[in-house]
Amino acid sequence: NAGVMQNPRHLVRRRGQEARLRCSPMKGHSHVYWYRQLPEEGLKFMVYLQKENIIDESGMPKERFSAEFPKEGPSILRIQQVVRGDSAAYFCASSRGASFTDTQYFGPGTRLTVL
Amino acid sequence: DQQVKQNSPSLSVQEGRISILNCDYTNSMFDYFLWYKKYPAEGPTFLISISSIKDKNEDGRFTVFLNKSAKHLSLHIVPSQPGDSAVYFCAASVGNTDKLIFGTGTRLQVFP
Repeated sequence: NAGVMQNPRHLVRRRGQEARLRCSPMKGHSHVYWYRQLPEEGLKFMVYLQKENIIDESGMPKERFSAEFPKEGPSILRIQQVVRGDSAAYFCASSRGASFTDTQYFGPGTRLTVL
Repeated sequence: DQQVKQNSPSLSVQEGRISILNCDYTNSMFDYFLWYKKYPAEGPTFLISISSIKDKNEDGRFTVFLNKSAKHLSLHIVPSQPGDSAVYFCAASVGNTDKLIFGTGTRLQVFP
């Protein structure tokens, strides 16, 4: 039973380039969450999606960041025109439902480095 | 505003002894609490959870205690093992909402 998959595991971009991070949820899970962890900090919620819908994007920066979870394929977190401050670990989690008893299971993360 | 706080950045415990990790929260609306363990270069791994209608939940060597009046929870690991060495994050949520609010983590080191 495969867990949450994220790729790439490491991504290096120069300032101004675009970064695309992918997340495939666990089998049977239709809820996806993205979190960001800056160095020496805890995880911060960014966005919550269900298939083809953004449910809560209250933690997402208003500019340059977008997320999608299409009917087919993985969820994508897209960062346009990256800046050095975007360097962080980005974690995806998935759950079966949105009840508080539906545990969020995390992927291994994508470590983004902006040069 | 840090709604979930882990005031001890690190903890060192001898193998076989009890590890106690603490977490405080400020939002009285939180009603579900979780502990995750994280190894370097990996994602957080779910350990144990507790809802606000309980004051204790136990799973093997792990027990979580919740004191709602003090807005405090703790994770007890007994007996501690070297493989428990990791960063432990406390997280909280409000009802069946979506987001988890995480603390900043406590690095546990279990030495022989």
